[in-house]
Amino acid sequence: DIQMTQSPSTVSTSVGDRVTITCRASQDITNYLAWFQQKPGKAPKRLIYAASSLQSGVPSRFSGSGSGTEFTLTISSLQPEDFATYYCLQHNNYPRTFGQGTKLEIK
Amino acid sequence: EVQLVESGGTLVQSGGSLRLSCAASGFTFSDHHMDWVRRAPGKGLEWVGRIRNKANSYTTEYAASVKGRFIILRDDSKNSLYLQMNSLKTEDTAVYYCTNLISDYWGQGTLVTVSS
Repeated sequence: DIQMTQSPSTVSTSVGDRVTITCRASQDITNYLAWFQQKPGKAPKRLIYAASSLQSGVPSRFSGSGSGTEFTLTISSLQPEDFATYYCLQHNNYPRTFGQGTKLEIK
Repeated sequence: EVQLVESGGTLVQSGGSLRLSCAASGFTFSDHHMDWVRRAPGKGLEWVGRIRNKANSYTTEYAASVKGRFIILRDDSKNSLYLQMNSLKTEDTAVYYCTNLISDYWGQGTLVTVSS
C-alpha cells in the first residue's frame, strides 16, 4: 500500500498568514493527488485535483504543487473560513490512501 | 442538483451486521464508480472501498481493514449504493460517507457506532 505522510499535523496560525502543508508518498504517484478540506460536521470538499489543478469555485488563494512523491498545498493568505482540517489523497493505486490530516487552528 | 443521501447508521453490537444505503440523484448514477469513505471519532479520513460501474463489471476494491467483512453493492435501477458491514468491530465506529470521488460528490454522512 502507498503511505501518505502529511505534515504538520497541526498549525497554529492567523488570518492573513501564508500556510504550506506537505504530503509525501511512499512511492511515485505521478500527479494522482487531491487535496480536501473538511469542517466539523460537514463532508469533505475537494480543493485541488491532479496535484495542481484548482477545483471550480475554490478561491485562488489555494494552490497545489508537486509530482512524484512530494506535494504541497499552499494557502496564500488565510481567511477566517479556512480554519479547518486538510487532507491529501492519492488515487494512483488501490487502496486509496489519505494523509493523516492537518488541522489549522487560530493562534 | 446532485444529492447523495445516506441512511442506516445506528448503534450495533460488536460482531453484528449492518447495511448502509445511499440514495443518489441529480446525475447519471449508473455511469459512475462510487466510493465509501469514513471518519472515526478523533481520527482522519479513511477510504473504505469502491464499486465500479456496469461497463467495468461492477468490480470492487476494499481497504485492508474491511476486506472480507464489508461488501459494496449497487442497484442502478434504484440509483442506490449500499455498504454491507459484517463482523463489526468497535474500530468501525465512524461517520460513513457515500461519495463519487472522481466528481467530488458527497453525502452528509451517517454515524455507525459499534459497542463492545
